[in-house]
Amino acid sequence: DVKVTQSSRYLVKRTGEKVFLECVQDMDHENMFWYRQDPGLGLRLIYFSYDVKMKEKGDIPEGYSVSREKKERFSLILESASTNQTSMYLCASSLIRAEAFFGQGTRLTVV
Amino acid sequence: GENVEQHPSTLSVQEGDSAVIKCTYSDSASNYFPWYKQELGKRPQLIIDIRSNVGEKKDQRIAVTLNKTAKHFSLHITETQPEDSAVYFCAATVSNYQLIWGAGTKLIIKP
Repeated sequence: DVKVTQSSRYLVKRTGEKVFLECVQDMDHENMFWYRQDPGLGLRLIYFSYDVKMKEKGDIPEGYSVSREKKERFSLILESASTNQTSMYLCASSLIRAEAFFGQGTRLTVV
Repeated sequence: GENVEQHPSTLSVQEGDSAVIKCTYSDSASNYFPWYKQELGKRPQLIIDIRSNVGEKKDQRIAVTLNKTAKHFSLHITETQPEDSAVYFCAATVSNYQLIWGAGTKLIIKP
């Protein structure tokens, strides 16, 4: 079974804090993704990576950055958390043009 | 760029009836079309997918049809059951790396 594991299920952070969301996959997938999911807005792509040290902006990259130092790990960084970044964050990984496997999600609340 | 439109946003059907969810895409180069199911509080999971060299694919009560000329694909669920209640997402490939997602359909199965 493919496993995509996110480091936290729930997080509460203060406005202005730097926040790290970690994602690890165990199937040697090239592609990794960070999505944000808000009610009625579906899955919105923040950043994706198709190789180690490679990253591409998605639809809503503002206020976020990413790091992929190793193939199995893709980190999402909120440089200075704001209340409008309160959301469910989903990590996913996939092979090329194939099924995406999702992590269990991190529900982030910024107060 | 690629755009995927999904309809309806909410679908309510009587248990035992069929449900159909439709998606259209804009990029004729797209060649992989997955459908995901997301139950309340859980991660999205692949339920069926189709590639552009195939017009229809079935898996028990679930089927997907693809019309490349019209650039639309549909999910069909027959003999709906309470456990089919969920949000369903369609998607289409735009490159080796990315999926573009529909906005989601909330399927409600009425007893």
